[in-house]
Amino acid sequence: GIQVEQSPPDLILQEGANSTLRCNFSDSVNNLQWFHQNPWGQLINLFYIPSGTKQNGRLSATTVATERYSLLYISSSQTTDSGVYFCAVGANFGNEKLTFGTGTRLTIIP
Amino acid sequence: GAVVSQHPSWVICKSGTSVKIECRSLDFQATTMFWYRQFPKQSLMLMATSNEGSKATYEQGVEKDKFLINHASLTLSTLTVTSAHPEDSSFYICSAGGRRVANTGELFFGEGSRLTVL
Repeated sequence: GIQVEQSPPDLILQEGANSTLRCNFSDSVNNLQWFHQNPWGQLINLFYIPSGTKQNGRLSATTVATERYSLLYISSSQTTDSGVYFCAVGANFGNEKLTFGTGTRLTIIP
Repeated sequence: GAVVSQHPSWVICKSGTSVKIECRSLDFQATTMFWYRQFPKQSLMLMATSNEGSKATYEQGVEKDKFLINHASLTLSTLTVTSAHPEDSSFYICSAGGRRVANTGELFFGEGSRLTVL
């Protein structure tokens, strides 16, 4: 099956800093989503981005499908950005299941 | 985005008992729902695909007799952990969505259910 690797696994930043999270995948995909998992475990949808670039406030994401990677940018980090960020990909047109990446644990220090 | 809800959020049970977790799509009909499991400090792993009106499709290594999935209506799927043991303690989370909802493949997730087996 498809492999999804995220880097870095852990990231500790000062409040106000910018960060870039990377997601590499091993095969062509028709779906790519970024999630933020909060301390209670809930997955918050950040972006649905199988290709191209999107921005939402301080967050933006870019997926280069031909090179099999996606990037999540967080600018002017806040303590509430702390948590685990997952990318997840879908590679089956007939079945919309997602395969999750290994995750990046982000800690923002005041 | 679409709303997916799970119940209960937390459950503690004794070893050997069975526990049922519900996943509901609140504002759309879901012919397919997905059940994931997450152990502490690990990623989410797909357990099974729940299909409305037919049998679930289980991922390799997931015991279908232990994790019973029922998708009896277009808005409800249930996961029953039978004869639970401490190693079944985990965070279980369901998802639904896709092209029927967002005209894309975007999936939405429930709040998750944390199971502790004593």
